[in-house]
Amino acid sequence: GENVEQHPSTLSVQEGDSAVIKCTYSDSASNYFPWYKQELGKGPQLIIDIRSNVGEKKDQRIAVTLNKTAKHFSLHITETQPEDSAVYFCASIALRGAQKLVFGQGTRLTINP
Amino acid sequence: DGGITQSPKYLFRKEGQNVTLSCEQNLNHDAMYWYRQDPGQGLRLIYYSQIVNDFQKGDIAEGYSVSREKKESFPLTVTSAQKNPTAFYLCASSVTGNLITDTQYFGPGTRLTVL
Repeated sequence: GENVEQHPSTLSVQEGDSAVIKCTYSDSASNYFPWYKQELGKGPQLIIDIRSNVGEKKDQRIAVTLNKTAKHFSLHITETQPEDSAVYFCASIALRGAQKLVFGQGTRLTINP
Repeated sequence: DGGITQSPKYLFRKEGQNVTLSCEQNLNHDAMYWYRQDPGQGLRLIYYSQIVNDFQKGDIAEGYSVSREKKESFPLTVTSAQKNPTAFYLCASSVTGNLITDTQYFGPGTRLTVL
């Protein structure tokens, strides 16, 4: 079945610097890749997603890039702020059988003031 | 958390007891999902339902049961057969079960601890 690997598991950056989180997926047919942010004690919230007909998508300080040939996609956060500290999950959609999201293991991002 | 409520936020149970986690949504979504989250791991799908009175097993359904008698409600029962039930449980919903077109929204979660 579909498998998603996410790296790094923890990431610490200085406020104002950029953060990059990377994911690889196994199902070449997968065509939807969301990113979720989870704050402590809360449920994940969708922050950005990308579909396989585009290579990059931006939303203010957040961007996601997709390389379908290499089967990897990345989350880029620029000008990081303390409120960006959270756990971030990537996911891809498994299309074989019933549709479902397959999640990466998560990245704990810490922004140091 | 977008109109999805889960209760209680924290739940304690003794080993060998069944316990039911509540999930309610007022988004008029057809599809609902239950995930389990353990430290250092991604979310794993337990059960999902794309329509009332129908549900399907996810990747880790053993030791769990669900019902979908009403569109807005999708309770999860953790049975005594679940060998390692201590975890954070997340409920989610989407307009339909087509995850390519529909965003999946999550509730705030219930942390279950087995004593």
